Amino acid sequence: QVQLVESGGGVVQPGRSLRLSCAASGFTFSSYGMHWVRQAPGKGLEWVADVWYDGSNKYYADSVKGRFTISRDNSKNTLYLQMNSLRAEDTAVYYCARDEQGFGELFFDYWGQGTLVTVSS
Amino acid sequence: EIVMTQSPATLSVSPGERATLSCRASQSVSSNLAWYQQKPGQAPRLLIYGASTRATGIPARFSGSGSGTAFTLTISSLQSEDFAVYYCQQYDNWHTFGQGTKLEIK
Repeated sequence: QVQLVESGGGVVQPGRSLRLSCAASGFTFSSYGMHWVRQAPGKGLEWVADVWYDGSNKYYADSVKGRFTISRDNSKNTLYLQMNSLRAEDTAVYYCARDEQGFGELFFDYWGQGTLVTVSS
Repeated sequence: EIVMTQSPATLSVSPGERATLSCRASQSVSSNLAWYQQKPGQAPRLLIYGASTRATGIPARFSGSGSGTAFTLTISSLQSEDFAVYYCQQYDNWHTFGQGTKLEIK
């Protein structure tokens, strides 16, 4: 069965960096686009970034563009999110989610359980 | 950016009754709309895509309709496990979510 397991969350000071990982199993990881979606405490869902099945194209929300980098290692079945210059407003649960197809343009058919990132001094 | 607006913010319904949730887009998204269910402490779960197609394993009491700018999620006979927050998401132009509708027990 499809499994997505995020890790790497924690408490970090404003301006610092953090890298999240998402380990995928139960499907052919290299065939699917992948996303990061976040949810601030008590708030709704916000799409953050996506990457094509082969890593050739990456797209970002304006709120994180220039600070966050999405990447993937298909040999390790792992998705990453490098978060730099973190701000208090980046505090959220970060979910990785699978796109229904390879180009990151559709809906999210499977989600991980999420990892909490808290940006605070 | 396409803005998605859900109504009502909170809906109180008795078990066994029908629930109707609305989602409106600021511009046409064709049928490129999905619905998700989220329970406290859990990740969202895909219910509907293409505005009206149920995802794998989703019970028939969930149905979606609409196209363009107006969409509806209907739960025909509410079960206890259906009380949750529901989000719509458009994927016609990037990805944006509505703010959610909390479905609570009346």
